Order: sequence, then C-alpha cells, then structure tokens
Amino acid sequence: AQSVTQLDSHVSVSEGTPVLLRCNYSSSYSPSLFWYVQHPNKGLQLLLKYTSAATLVKGINGFEAEFKKSETSFHLTKPSAHMSDAAEYFCVVSDRPGNTGKLIFGQGTTLQVKP
Amino acid sequence: GAGVSQSPSNKVTEKGKDVELRCDPISGHTALYWYRQSLGQGLEFLIYFQGNSAPDKSGLPSDRFSAERTGGSVSTLTIQRTQQEDSAVYLCASSFRSGSDEQFFGPGTRLTVL
Repeated sequence: AQSVTQLDSHVSVSEGTPVLLRCNYSSSYSPSLFWYVQHPNKGLQLLLKYTSAATLVKGINGFEAEFKKSETSFHLTKPSAHMSDAAEYFCVVSDRPGNTGKLIFGQGTTLQVKP
Repeated sequence: GAGVSQSPSNKVTEKGKDVELRCDPISGHTALYWYRQSLGQGLEFLIYFQGNSAPDKSGLPSDRFSAERTGGSVSTLTIQRTQQEDSAVYLCASSFRSGSDEQFFGPGTRLTVL
C-alpha cells in the first residue's frame, strides 16, 4: 500500500527566507506524487505533481519539489517565502495498482510566515 | 469556466437525522471523488466514481454512508442517522480522467452534527 509521511506538522519561517517542507513516501510501485496547498477557508489547490518524468518538478508560485527515489523523499522548497504562502500543505500519493486516482494524503504541514 | 461546486456550504443537523451533500463537478470530467477532512483523521478518501459507476467504495466508513452519481455529472453523498463523529468537511473533486490527472477540488461542505 502507498503512504506518505510529512515530517513536520508545523514550520515557521521569516518572509524572504527559504522554505523546506519534508515528505517521505512508501510505495511498491512507481509513484505519482503531488503537493496540494489549502489556504484558510479555501479549497485545495494543486501546487505540482510528479509522474515519472523529470525528477525536479516546478510548480506554481515559485515552488518546486525533487523526487529522490534513493531517499524515498519528495520535499517541497521555495527560495524565498512570501506572506501569502502561509497555509496548510499536503504531500499526496496516488493509489496503485488500479490507478483509479484515489489520493492518499499526508497529515499536513502548517506553514507560518513571519514578517 | 466554473469549477467544482458543492452545496450546502454549511450544514448543521441533529444526531440521528439524514443529510444529503451535493457535488457538481467540472463539465466533461468523468472521474469524481469524495473525501472527508476531520481534525482527528486528516484527509481521507471515501468513494470514487468513473461515470455513474463506483468501482471503489472502500473509504466509506459505515453502511450509513452512500453515494450516487447520475448522468455522469452531479453526485450526492447521503449520510443516514448521523452521528457526532460524522462532523467534518466533506470535499468533492473531479478530474478529466482517473489516474494521475489533476483533481480539482470544491470548497467543501462543513457538516456539524449536534
């Protein structure tokens, strides 16, 4: 079975400093991995996805993630945090086999951005 | 174009009552998913539709939960004899196809069972 573990429940950074949100995955298959963001009282929005093409994936709003098979990791990074990045971030794996698209979510990381 | 819409946005009900939650997916999307977001359990899958069929209902927590989809479009999630532990935000998502296509999420229905 597939699963994801987000290593930090809460991350706090200062505006303008780098962001690192950590995610490890477990999968018996070549995984499809995603990062979603949820702003307060808003719906979930896809930041980026990895589906076995390039290992470095670029997403929206300056975020990117690197798929590292040897480390079973898919960490999310951004060079410079903005106040508007404050939100809940979810690392997600798509369930296999069957490839129905059912998503399995990590527990989430709350990103706080301080002025 | 319009995104995924859900209604109602908020629902407060009494324990033991039945509730219906509605999802309107993006037009042309064949795959539709229901998820539940609660404080204790995080975000969890409930059921998946491909067209009007539900090949995966593995996430429905009990037989009090059911869902249907008609015309390959609108879906309704029904919870019978609601319990306090059913209180959560119910999210609907749709994608053009199943698999690794991006899922577009609706704003959710916040259900509170008193």
